[in-house]
Parts: sequence; C-alpha cells; structure tokens
Amino acid sequence: KQEVTQIPAALSVPEGENLVLNCSFTDSAIYNLQWFRQDPGKGLTSLLLIQSSQREQTSGRLNASLDKSSGRSTLYIAASQPGDSATYLCAVTRGALSRLTFGEGTQLTVNP
Amino acid sequence: GAVVSQHPSWVICKSGTSVKIECRSLDFQATTMFWYRQFPKQSLMLMATSNEGSKATYEQGVEKDKFLINHASLTLSTLTVTSAHPEDSSFYICSASSGSDLGTDTQYFGPGTRLTVL
Repeated sequence: KQEVTQIPAALSVPEGENLVLNCSFTDSAIYNLQWFRQDPGKGLTSLLLIQSSQREQTSGRLNASLDKSSGRSTLYIAASQPGDSATYLCAVTRGALSRLTFGEGTQLTVNP
Repeated sequence: GAVVSQHPSWVICKSGTSVKIECRSLDFQATTMFWYRQFPKQSLMLMATSNEGSKATYEQGVEKDKFLINHASLTLSTLTVTSAHPEDSSFYICSASSGSDLGTDTQYFGPGTRLTVL
C-alpha cells in the first residue's frame, strides 16, 4: 500500500525566504507526482505535475524535483510571499486514471 | 484550463436526512470522476471512483449503500449521503479526468462541499 509522508507538517518563515517542502513515498512504482495548494476551506489548485520519467518541473517561483528511485520529491519556493501561505499537498498516482494518494500536507505561513 | 464545479458549496442538514452533492465538468467530458473526503486537519482520502455509465468502485471501508454515486453523463456525477449522521460532517471534493489531456491524465478538482450534519 502506497504511503505518502510530508515533512514538515507546519512551517513558518519570514517573507522573502527561500524554502523547501519535502514529500516521500513508499512505493517507487508511480506514474506521476503532483503538488497542490489548498487554501483554508477551499478546493485544490494544481501547482506542478511531474511525470515518472521527469526529474523536475518549474513554474515561476516554484520548482519541484522528483527522485523516483529514492521515493522523494521536493517543492522549492523562492522568495516567499505572504500570499504563498496555504497548505501544500503532494500526491502520487500509480497509473493512468488511477487514484491519487495524498500526503497530509505542509501548512506554510509566510509572515510579512 | 479545465473547470470543475460543485454544488452546493456548503450544506447544513439534520441527522437522518439525505444530501445530494453535484460535481460537473464545465468544459470537458469527464470519463472518470473521483470523490474524496477530507476531515479537519487531515488529508484527502479517496472514497470512490466512478466511470460514466458504470457502477462506482468504492474504497475499502466506504459504505456503498450510504454514499450513493451516480455518473450518468460525461459531465455530471452526484454523491448522495443517505441518512446522514454528525460523523459524516466533512469536506467532500470531487475531481474529474478526461483521460486525454496531453496524455497526462490530469485530475481537475472541484472547489469542495462543506457538509455539516446537526
């Protein structure tokens, strides 16, 4: 059974700091990995999707890397802003149109 | 990008009543829809997977007679919580996939429905 773990559970940083969120998964046979953002009481916003054959994806100030063999992914946020405050979830899927298995998230607070 | 809507966004009901939640793909045809549940401070847990025109596949521990799922068209799936109890209070989120989005099979998520059972 696939298990996804995210560390840390919560993180508070001053504005402008660069930060890294970690995600690990127990079964390396994944199809893809996604990072999502969730604001309180809201749905999910997809940030980045990395296919199993890829090593990283970038979008603006966000960079996600994937090391499938070691079962790890990181989400790097550059020059953090208060608007980045949210819960960040990573999720993996085993195959096309398969279920997403989510981690429990990292709650990020960026202080002005 | 693809848009998925849910209705209602929040609902409060009395214990013992049934509640229907709709999930719609607005600008694409969703061959597969997923229903997730999220309790406070916890992550999303998959409840069931539904394909258009066929019966839903439920995850272990999810009562199919309590959580009725209907995926009658390529743009609409409904989740009915029957005889709701306070422990069913949760945030319900659906996602939809066309299975053809550049081959990535991306799931697009709805905004969620907050259910509170009194």
